[in-house]
Amino acid sequence: SSELTQDPTVSVALGQRVTITCRGDILRSYYASWYQQKPGQAPVFVIFDKNIRPSGIPGRFSVSSSGNTASLTISGAQAEDEADYYCCSRDSSGNRVVFGGGTKLTVL
Amino acid sequence: QVQLVQSGAEVKRPGASVKVSCRASGYSFSNNFLFWVRQAPGQSLEWMGWINTANGNTKYSQKFQGRVTISRDTPARTVYMELSSLRSEDTALYYCARDVRRQVLLETYNWFDPWGQGTLVTVSS
Repeated sequence: SSELTQDPTVSVALGQRVTITCRGDILRSYYASWYQQKPGQAPVFVIFDKNIRPSGIPGRFSVSSSGNTASLTISGAQAEDEADYYCCSRDSSGNRVVFGGGTKLTVL
Repeated sequence: QVQLVQSGAEVKRPGASVKVSCRASGYSFSNNFLFWVRQAPGQSLEWMGWINTANGNTKYSQKFQGRVTISRDTPARTVYMELSSLRSEDTALYYCARDVRRQVLLETYNWFDPWGQGTLVTVSS
């Protein structure tokens, strides 16, 4: 299957830790990247499977992966982390590109 | 800074075509592939295709094969995405995104950064 499955909604208390998961067979072969999208804005690259983050993304964002599952963890969630998060997996040549269905993160 | 700026919103009739542009700045244009991704209202992201800005080679998602054409104007540092035979289901935000590639030993890491601001295409009779 070329699908990536994410939980539609996840909530976390302010300052607590939360993990967003992404599952799919493609993850057994290829890496995942993660994107944050706030209402009315374009997606923003957050982190790659090897814990590669762009400058400007805080260190509270980390990733891990095992088998068919990739996970994005926010350690100490902040109000500004409330957003939709999408995982993406693809082969290096770009012949297969798959996005997850997205997870809406609510910070309580 | 690296930036992708897209053309403005479009309203089209069913059966028409739309051409969306994406102008790149802040980096060497031919060094990175550019991808197109769309997002229907309330939906997830969907890959449409890409262009190798160095040589113009393209690859399209099977879903859009035959209806989408991606092209480039290198002096203008601009990539175009044209979608034909529009139907109501094509109403969506269309994004361009730069492909970042990092080679580490024998592995290639890829991600999309940055994204354009999006272009809303509305298909309505």
